[in-house]
Amino acid sequence: KQEVTQIPAALSVPEGENLVLNCSFTDSAIYNLQWFRQDPGKGLTSLLLIQSSQREQTSGRLNASLDKSSGRSTLYIAASQPGDSATYLCAVPPTGGSARQLTFGSGTQLTVLP
Amino acid sequence: GAVVSQHPSWVICKSGTSVKIECRSLDFQATTMFWYRQFPKQSLMLMATSNEGSKATYEQGVEKDKFLINHASLTLSTLTVTSAHPEDSSFYICSARDPSTGISSPLHFGNGTRLTVT
Repeated sequence: KQEVTQIPAALSVPEGENLVLNCSFTDSAIYNLQWFRQDPGKGLTSLLLIQSSQREQTSGRLNASLDKSSGRSTLYIAASQPGDSATYLCAVPPTGGSARQLTFGSGTQLTVLP
Repeated sequence: GAVVSQHPSWVICKSGTSVKIECRSLDFQATTMFWYRQFPKQSLMLMATSNEGSKATYEQGVEKDKFLINHASLTLSTLTVTSAHPEDSSFYICSARDPSTGISSPLHFGNGTRLTVT
């Protein structure tokens, strides 16, 4: 059974800092890995999707890496801003499940202080 | 880009009543939609997979008779919480993938429905 772990559970940084969020998964046989952002009381916004054949994806100040063999992914946020404050979730398809389903980590709650 | 719309965004109901939540794909046809539940401070847990024109597939531990799913068209899936109780209070989120973009394309999520049962 696929299990996804995110560390740290919460993170507070001053504005302008670069930061890294970590995600690990137990079954490396994944189609892809997706990072989401969730604001309080809201749904999920897809940030980045990395295919299993890729090592990283970039979008603006965000960079996500994937190391399938070690079962790890990182989300790097450069020059953090208060508007980046949210919960960040990583997700992968579950073992034996459809590639359309996702197993989520418990998330990292990020607070960027002005 | 692909958009998934969910309605209502929040609902308060009395214990014993039923509540229907709608999930629509606005600019693509979704033969499959997914329903998740999220308790406070916890991550999303898949409840069921909604299949257009056939029965939904429920995850282990999810009561089929309590959480009725109907996927009558390619753009609409509904989740009905029947005889709701306070412990059903949660955040329910639906998702879908645009099948025209391939099996490894991103999953799109609705904005969720906050259900409070009093």
